[in-house]
Amino acid sequence: GAVVSQHPSWVICKSGTSVKIECRSLDFQATTMFWYRQFPKQSLMLMATSNEGSKATYEQGVEKDKFLINHASLTLSTLTVTSAHPEDSSFYICSPLYTTQETQYFGPGTRLLVL
Amino acid sequence: GDSVTQMEGPVTLSEEAFLTINCTYTATGYPSLFWYVQYPGEGLQLLLKATKADDKGSNKGFEATYRKETTSFHLEKGSVQVSDSAVYFCALIGSQGNLIFGKGTKLSVKP
Repeated sequence: GAVVSQHPSWVICKSGTSVKIECRSLDFQATTMFWYRQFPKQSLMLMATSNEGSKATYEQGVEKDKFLINHASLTLSTLTVTSAHPEDSSFYICSPLYTTQETQYFGPGTRLLVL
Repeated sequence: GDSVTQMEGPVTLSEEAFLTINCTYTATGYPSLFWYVQYPGEGLQLLLKATKADDKGSNKGFEATYRKETTSFHLEKGSVQVSDSAVYFCALIGSQGNLIFGKGTKLSVKP
């Protein structure tokens, strides 16, 4: 399967700081990128969908000014959690869509802990 | 809206035991159904899928059949191995092309 990297894998930060998570599709170009998060004992929930070169579409209840998504190239997307708070502590997972295969691949996830 | 419900874990089995992880769904129409697996420290990987009613997806000894009548897509394996220890997610394709997941079931297989 395709390779997707996500960095960092772990982040611990103080409340009020911003955290940037990078997601790279290493062997295919992804026009569409999905960002999910998973709270403990909950499902992965879609946060936003981004298309390369366009503004992201956010799911209801997800603040677009807090979770900044940049999908500037077909192999890189970033999610920035601005002014993080303890309730933002979660597991964030990117998922580029391999259009040709009609298949989503997943990064290994980033675990964020905000103190 | 569309949703997926799968059995709560964790599930602990001995090697060579039979595995069933239940999954039911609620959806308008008949979406494609998936099982994903996440091994420790890795991203989710597609395990198998079924795109229409009565289809059976299979891979690595795992099977699941798309049952329209019971809106189910239970995952089964006849003889599990220690290497099958992972978290398993049932999912369906949503209207935007994104995946809608169940909560995940952690499987631990003991030698």
